Amino acid sequence: DTEVTQTPKHLVMGMTNKKSLKCEQHMGHRAMYWYKQKAKKPPELMFVYSYEKLSINESVPSRFSPECPNSSLLNLHLHALQPEDSALYLCASSQEQAGMKNEQFFGPGTRLTVL
Amino acid sequence: SQQGEEDPQALSIQEGENATMNCSYKTSINNLQWYRQNSGRGLVHLILIRSNEREKHSGRLRVTLDTSKKSSSLLITASRAADTASYFCATDAGRNSGAGSYQLTFGKGTKLSVIP
Repeated sequence: DTEVTQTPKHLVMGMTNKKSLKCEQHMGHRAMYWYKQKAKKPPELMFVYSYEKLSINESVPSRFSPECPNSSLLNLHLHALQPEDSALYLCASSQEQAGMKNEQFFGPGTRLTVL
Repeated sequence: SQQGEEDPQALSIQEGENATMNCSYKTSINNLQWYRQNSGRGLVHLILIRSNEREKHSGRLRVTLDTSKKSSSLLITASRAADTASYFCATDAGRNSGAGSYQLTFGKGTKLSVIP
């Protein structure tokens, strides 16, 4: 299984809602990532998890709260978002082998719209 | 901050022609990767070239890396309509991000259109 899955595919939420994005991989990867991608822009790194521990937070506002319950799952909890947070949210995973960093595997993304 | 800058920003070619995209970056890197993204979808990894490699091939793809010029190129030969997508280069600059993980910084991308 070389797939990263993300749910939901689409999400529309109001600014007062609380929602969560989910990401799952069964490749045994111990590094997982959240990216945000605005239209016609490249993906921008938000968070990095290494062995289920948050290792990088790229100055992301606290209304985005990541969680890694186990080595296969990665969540992104959303609360009090702003319309400018509307974007495609991508999850990725990767595995180091023999000390070498390898490619990242991306999920299909969740298209988020904040009203 | 963006590390890679691709050019051209957009490229339109006829099916069967070759497509060349270039990427420049600013700092030293461990590896450089190319990804493809169909409209509104996830990214698909195409090829990874490490800093000690100069050229790599995968099917119709050829990637070169010139670390002295801090640049890379992606060549797609005999293009097909299905190659229509955005192509991003991404660099691993070796910043500390925890065991087994690394930070990828993406360039702005080249939007390739292959006309049947």
